[in-house]
Amino acid sequence: AQKITQTQPGMFVQEKEAVTLDCTYDTSDPSYGLFWYKQPSSGEMIFLIYQGSYDQQNATEGRYSLNFQKARKSANLVISASQLGDSAMYFCAMREVQGAQKLVFGQGTRLTINP
Amino acid sequence: DTAVSQTPKYLVTQMGNDKSIKCEQNLGHDTMYWYKQDSKKFLKIMFSYNNKELIINETVPNRFSPKSPDKAHLNLHINSLELGDSAVYFCASSQLDGNTIYFGEGSWLTVV
Repeated sequence: AQKITQTQPGMFVQEKEAVTLDCTYDTSDPSYGLFWYKQPSSGEMIFLIYQGSYDQQNATEGRYSLNFQKARKSANLVISASQLGDSAMYFCAMREVQGAQKLVFGQGTRLTINP
Repeated sequence: DTAVSQTPKYLVTQMGNDKSIKCEQNLGHDTMYWYKQDSKKFLKIMFSYNNKELIINETVPNRFSPKSPDKAHLNLHINSLELGDSAVYFCASSQLDGNTIYFGEGSWLTVV
């Protein structure tokens, strides 16, 4: 069964520093996708970045990059030059290509950016 | 133009009532979902529809009944509401094998 683990319940970072949010996953499906979402205090779920299991390069979207280490089954989100507006909950999620196509989420990490 | 829109955003109702949450997407996606986020922020899938056909039903009580009149709409009807149904319900959509899944803004349901 697919499983996502985020081991950092909360993180505190100084503004302008880079931050890495950890995510490990478990699946027996060779084909899967990994997602990161941001949930600010207003509550909406904002899609940040996607990594396919067969993608050769790490995904990047602006200040967001995904450090994908397939052998270690990790998909950490890196935010460069953090900003106060980055303070939010961050969720890692996975979807297996075979089977039910459902998105399974980790527990989330609450990121706080300090001025 | 909101891509995935849900109504209502806030809903306060008494135990035992029946309520519905509506969802519409204008992205042309073929797959829609309902997720529930509990008080600890944990997100779990409830249902998924592909081209109006149910493809996922994750052991949700049968008081919850999704209805998809067409590809662009997936509504959630809840009968006999219980205190434990209080949560945020998110609608989402994607192409079936797509690499982006877009969420609506959420519907905050409070059962008193």
